[in-house]
Amino acid sequence: DVKVTQSSRYLVKRTGEKVFLECVQDMDHENMFWYRQDPGLGLRLIYFSYDVKMKEKGDIPEGYSVSREKKERFSLILESASTNQTSMYLCASRSGQTNEKLFFGSGTQLSVL
Amino acid sequence: GDSVTQMEGPVTLSEEAFLTINCTYTATGYPSLFWYVQYPGEGLQLLLKATKADDKGSNKGFEATYRKETTSFHLEKGSVQVSDSAVYFCALGGSYIPTFGRGTSLIVHP
Repeated sequence: DVKVTQSSRYLVKRTGEKVFLECVQDMDHENMFWYRQDPGLGLRLIYFSYDVKMKEKGDIPEGYSVSREKKERFSLILESASTNQTSMYLCASRSGQTNEKLFFGSGTQLSVL
Repeated sequence: GDSVTQMEGPVTLSEEAFLTINCTYTATGYPSLFWYVQYPGEGLQLLLKATKADDKGSNKGFEATYRKETTSFHLEKGSVQVSDSAVYFCALGGSYIPTFGRGTSLIVHP
């Protein structure tokens, strides 16, 4: 079974901490995405990567950075966590074909206190 | 730019009722259209897909037809079950960044 694995299901951090969210896919996909999901706002794209070491800002990149050193791994970094970054974070991957489906991880519920 | 509009929820139904969740889109080119489902506590997963005009995607009793003339991809199911309670997202492919609707929550009561 193909998989997108997010490192943590639940995470609690303190304001100002540096937070790493990891995502690994086993499908040799070129494209990877980070979304956050908040009630009433749907999915909002933070960053995406169309290949190794390549990244593009999404709709809400402020306060976040990403790293894609290997094809299978896409990391989301919160440089200095703030309470307004409390959210569900979803990672997804896709082959390089834009009309193919996305495969999603189970999500990380991050609480910043 | 591309956009997807889907009906706001929550949609609340009794078991065995008929379901329609409306989705309309704006897009250039010939994108694929998708419905994803998110069960409580999980990520999204593909429910069904259609790749060109007049295609019908179907899965688990759900259906949606790609209507280019009305730019719509409405999701339907003839008889919903409690286990169908979830959030449903309509989405466009065809570009580097997929476009998602805001999601429609479906609640099915026994």
